[in-house]
Amino acid sequence: EAQVTQNPRYLITVTGKKLTVTCSQNMNHEYMSWYRQDPGLGLRQIYYSMNVEVTDKGDVPEGYKVSRKEKRNFPLILESPSPNQTSLYFCASSLSNPGWDTEAFFGQGTRLTVV
Amino acid sequence: TQLLEQSPQFLSIQEGENLTVYCNSSSVFSSLQWYRQEPGEGPVLLVTVVTGGEVKKLKRLTFQFGDARKDSSLHITAAQTGDTGLYLCAGAGSNDYKLSFGAGTTVTVRA
Repeated sequence: EAQVTQNPRYLITVTGKKLTVTCSQNMNHEYMSWYRQDPGLGLRQIYYSMNVEVTDKGDVPEGYKVSRKEKRNFPLILESPSPNQTSLYFCASSLSNPGWDTEAFFGQGTRLTVV
Repeated sequence: TQLLEQSPQFLSIQEGENLTVYCNSSSVFSSLQWYRQEPGEGPVLLVTVVTGGEVKKLKRLTFQFGDARKDSSLHITAAQTGDTGLYLCAGAGSNDYKLSFGAGTTVTVRA
């Protein structure tokens, strides 16, 4: 089954404790991205990757890091989480650049709470 | 960042009624997509429109892309309770490598 898998689904952590949210896709997609979803603000892109070892900032990259060492995996790293990073996070993948009329497939989301 | 404004923010209607959701921007998009998101799930693509003036129909859902490719609308005819969800529009520019999302319209269809 074609899917994007995120882990964990729920996470409560304390300020400053490094964490990683994993994302894996089994569709051999080149393009992957991370979004955060906050009430009234919709989905905002954090980082994206057009292929292995190619990543770039989205609209809200501060406080986040990513890596793309393998095509299928795109982890999101919070080196020193803060309460304003409490949010619902989504990983997405697509065959190519979203501007080329291609569908984005989303994971089920990770609800992160930083206290 | 290309801003997409959706209206209304919330919509509550009775089953069987019609509804329209709007997505507007000052920017031109090479393509515009509509997604639906249910609680606890990620968004799922409903449709992509790419040509100015294009109209696409998906059963009771009708999607329209503005002539200038700056706006779009989603019309649902004879809404059902299963249409309840968060509807998101998303646009991509021709020289853009990212998808910009609107804030979404929460639709509630009452039985």
